[in-house]
Amino acid sequence: QVQLVQSGAEVKKPGSSVKVSCKASGGTFSSYAISWVRQAPGQGLEWMGRIIPVLGTANYAQKFQGRVSITADESTYTAYMELSSLRSEDTAVYYCARERIQLWSQHYYYYMDVWGKGATVTVSS
Amino acid sequence: DIVMTQSPDSLAVSLGERATINCKSSQSVLHSSNDKNYLAWYQQKPGQPPKLLIYGASTRESGVPDRVSGSGSGTDFTLTISSLQAEDVAVYYCQQYYSSPQITFGQGTRLEIK
Repeated sequence: QVQLVQSGAEVKKPGSSVKVSCKASGGTFSSYAISWVRQAPGQGLEWMGRIIPVLGTANYAQKFQGRVSITADESTYTAYMELSSLRSEDTAVYYCARERIQLWSQHYYYYMDVWGKGATVTVSS
Repeated sequence: DIVMTQSPDSLAVSLGERATINCKSSQSVLHSSNDKNYLAWYQQKPGQPPKLLIYGASTRESGVPDRVSGSGSGTDFTLTISSLQAEDVAVYYCQQYYSSPQITFGQGTRLEIK
């Protein structure tokens, strides 16, 4: 059974960047997508974007366009999420999640079936 | 964006009783050409990541107990736990994936024991 192992907690200064990794152990993600979802303290889930290694493409939520970059290294089964221009509101737990891909009528649909344990990012001066 | 609204925000149910959580989408998530609803439910226990319970509005993920069920179509969906157990205490989220690649979650419903 695949597990998603995320990098550790980070403390960053406002204006800096953070890069979080997510390694698939016990399997690959070549036929799946990897999404990133964040959860601010006491808040709900917020989708940030995904990478689809098999298609070589990434999608981003409009809110994060231009500030987030999601990449993947298929040789090491590792996905990365880099968020720049950090501000205090970016303090959150960042989860990666594997997504199943459904194809219908030439369109792809995604939902998350395996989640990492999360990486806490704290932005503070 | 499709907005997902859950009700209630929190819910307290006695052990062994039925728990019902509702989720409403701002537009239909039913694909008419294949009659599939692109709606998932997740459970998040304190200090843990979310866990997939239901996809396609009513298909239970492998390993999910059969007391958990999903129903609904179009814009109105329900997650039902038929006989509440202590381990069901969690926050539950609905998520639409009809507008993929963009996806959206509901705000969550907190389920507690009365």
